[in-house]
Amino acid sequence: KAGVTQTPRYLIKTRGQQVTLSCSPISGHRSVSWYQQTPGQGLQFLFEYFSETQRNKGNFPGRFSGRQFSNSRSEMNVSTLELGDSALYLCASRTGTSANNEQFFGPGTRLTVL
Amino acid sequence: GESVGLHLPTLSVQEGDNSIINCAYSNSASDYFIWYKQESGKGPQFIIDIRSNMDKRQGQRVTVLLNKTVKHLSLQIAATQPGDSAVYFCAENKWGAQKLVFGQGTRLTINP
Repeated sequence: KAGVTQTPRYLIKTRGQQVTLSCSPISGHRSVSWYQQTPGQGLQFLFEYFSETQRNKGNFPGRFSGRQFSNSRSEMNVSTLELGDSALYLCASRTGTSANNEQFFGPGTRLTVL
Repeated sequence: GESVGLHLPTLSVQEGDNSIINCAYSNSASDYFIWYKQESGKGPQFIIDIRSNMDKRQGQRVTVLLNKTVKHLSLQIAATQPGDSAVYFCAENKWGAQKLVFGQGTRLTINP
């Protein structure tokens, strides 16, 4: 079974631009979460989607948004990029049922904002 | 607020020795704890988890201990191998939820 895939793996943008990152969960997984990882703040939860609905949200500004499609694939969007948005963005999937809470992470998208 | 922290940012051990990585958490309501391993260029990889109704759980070469009295979590790796070199994160959440709160991580280095 293929793991969580994220595209692109690397991205360079300039301040003020917007970016869209993509995540394909493990087949059969209906829950997708996004995390931001930086050296200073560590791993921080952005949001979680389940069956195309946002189920949880972290403490990030409205410039960060996401969505989930009917096939469980998810995208996250960051508008009006700032230098501080440079980070590794990680996607994680799980089945979504409470009986199994294990999350599987993708390799991440490394975003650099210049 | 919620926070999960690690006592040491780096840990060096001799190959073959046992490693112990510690973690403190502050949210008494958390009932599910996980240890992740992250190698360079990769996403975090699940190692082992434990629910709050347990105080010890063992896996293959790894043991997680939970002390709810002092809100402390530890990961023990037996017979540490070069492949164990990575950053280790503890995380907490409530069972069934998806909002993991991660610690800052401990970098484990193996000396030959």
